[in-house]
Amino acid sequence: NAGVTQTPKFQVLKTGQSMTLQCAQDMNHEYMSWYRQDPGMGLRLIHYSVGAGITDQGEVPNGYNVSRSTTEDFPLRLLSAAPSQTSVYFCASSYSGLGGIGANEQFFGPGTRLTVL
Amino acid sequence: EDKVVQSPLSLVVHEGDTVTLNCSYEVTNFRSLLWYKQEKKAPTFLFMLTSSGIEKKSGRLSSILDKKELFSILNITATQTGDSAVYLCATGANSKLTFGKGITLSVRP
Repeated sequence: NAGVTQTPKFQVLKTGQSMTLQCAQDMNHEYMSWYRQDPGMGLRLIHYSVGAGITDQGEVPNGYNVSRSTTEDFPLRLLSAAPSQTSVYFCASSYSGLGGIGANEQFFGPGTRLTVL
Repeated sequence: EDKVVQSPLSLVVHEGDTVTLNCSYEVTNFRSLLWYKQEKKAPTFLFMLTSSGIEKKSGRLSSILDKKELFSILNITATQTGDSAVYLCATGANSKLTFGKGITLSVRP
């Protein structure tokens, strides 16, 4: 079991470039989510998905797109990168359990450190 | 808007001390409260609490939830330098987790 994997680990972009951060999980979890983490800000939810074909916005969705065509994969697209998107990005997944979908233990990937110049 | 507030934002203790980390929340449709530890990499899960007054314990760490007063505490006894980390609290509600800003704990030898 690889758990939650993310690629790339590091990325440097120029303002205006686009890119996709990849996230995959092999635990057959229904729920997947993307967070960004900035110094002193905790984790802020960008987008989430409760199952294949279903996505919804979190707290900070502007400038990001997601899709969920399979249970395993949940890529995050930056449409036109801006310096304000410099951050560490975490993907997470969870099962539907005692807390209800999205409210249980989430398993985190190792993160992607993105710098936008 | 859901709110999770952690306090203090940072603290420094010496090895062997006991620390209490606080988390208060204002959340609609509350389902759960979770604690994570983060050491310069991905957060790792510590506890999930759904019922008031039932303490969860793992070694030197313990946590309890008060759903009437809307808070939780995380206790660490006999702290060690390996406990130095950021401790994150999150509430589960409406199909998502809302995180607080975290508490930075530094344990000095």
